[in-house]
Amino acid sequence: EPEVTQTPSHQVTQMGQEVILRCVPISNHLYFYWYRQILGQKVEFLVSFYNNEISEKSEIFDDQFSVERPDGSNFTLKIRSTKLEDSAMYFCASKSGSDTGELFFGEGSRLTVL
Amino acid sequence: DAKTTQPPSMDCAEGRAANLPCNHSTISGNEYVYWYRQIHSQGPQYIIHGLKNNETNEMASLIITEDRKSSTLILPHATLRDTAVYYCIVRSFNDYKLSFGAGTTVTVRA
Repeated sequence: EPEVTQTPSHQVTQMGQEVILRCVPISNHLYFYWYRQILGQKVEFLVSFYNNEISEKSEIFDDQFSVERPDGSNFTLKIRSTKLEDSAMYFCASKSGSDTGELFFGEGSRLTVL
Repeated sequence: DAKTTQPPSMDCAEGRAANLPCNHSTISGNEYVYWYRQIHSQGPQYIIHGLKNNETNEMASLIITEDRKSSTLILPHATLRDTAVYYCIVRSFNDYKLSFGAGTTVTVRA
């Protein structure tokens, strides 16, 4: 069964450092997403990406965050200068072009900012 | 602005059916009901979705009331591996993101 893969599974970084989280979505999917989940809290939408541009973003997704799909397969989330409150699980998801198609989520990347 | 209301937790006996309720009284005509679950801290997993008809797949059944203001997810024979947080989500066909609430923490007991 096709799956969304994410790397790294866990990253520890110092506050102020840049972090890049990587995702390989399902190959024929057209819509890509990043979500995050702070420990003990809800899964929160960050950003959606379609046709090589951001289609929607939440208030959380400020100027410190960026996404790109550099090579047609990887989908990355960059945090320019990490803060303590960026510590969370980050989930990548992808969806086919069907209106009712479900989102497939990866297993997540745990980011710990010290 | 939660569109759904779910009980915070419920227990279920292994081997028995688990019936998970969800209220979505403000659902509009172009909105679907989706169910996902999250086992421990893994990525959310799609279970099932429906518009107005009842749906069944290999994982579960979805019963939607005639007025569409509530639904029930049925896990026919719960196993210990079904212990998870279950999310009921209302999504319109042209809104391609999902908005997660707190969900229902389901604990299946031996």
